[in-house]
Amino acid sequence: NAGVMQNPRHLVRRRGQEARLRCSPMKGHSHVYWYRQLPEEGLKFMVYLQKENIIDESGMPKERFSAEFPKEGPSILRIQQVVRGDSAAYFCASSPMDRYEQYFGPGTRLTVT
Amino acid sequence: QKEVEQNSGPLSVPEGAIASLNCTYSDRGSQSFFWYRQYSGKSPELIMSIYSNGDKEDGRFTAQLNKASQYVSLLIRDSQPSDSATYLCAVTVNFGNEKLTFGTGTRLTIIP
Repeated sequence: NAGVMQNPRHLVRRRGQEARLRCSPMKGHSHVYWYRQLPEEGLKFMVYLQKENIIDESGMPKERFSAEFPKEGPSILRIQQVVRGDSAAYFCASSPMDRYEQYFGPGTRLTVT
Repeated sequence: QKEVEQNSGPLSVPEGAIASLNCTYSDRGSQSFFWYRQYSGKSPELIMSIYSNGDKEDGRFTAQLNKASQYVSLLIRDSQPSDSATYLCAVTVNFGNEKLTFGTGTRLTIIP
């Protein structure tokens, strides 16, 4: 059973560009969560999605950040007009509908130059 | 007050000894409790989940939960050098929205 998949694993963007991070949950998992880990800081919740629905986006910055989990295809975290402060590791986690354990993908390390 | 607090460490334990990691949380409504292990540069790996008061054992790992004291701990028996990592305590408040709130982690080093 393949785990949570994220791509790309490393992403370099110049200030002002857009970053798109993809996450495919584990097979059978319908819940997707995005977390961000800034250098030397803890993991922070960003957004919780189910298919075609955003359940909780209380951790998302108000501007430039958006997320979706379409009926078909991976979940996407989109960061517009990136700034240096967006440099971080972005992790996706998934869980099945009837359990609470979340399993993390390998992460995308975003570097903004 | 931080929602989930852990001693940042580092915590050094001799190989073969018991490592004890502690976590407190502020929200009395917290429902689910997890321990993750994170090696440097890697993603968090779930090692234990616990939902009710008492102990839960899985191999060399034992999680302990005391909701009255708002305290959860992780014991690692027969510590191995491969256990050297940062251990993250995570809590969810609501069934139906299982977003995890993490502590800042405890860095554990097992000394051969």
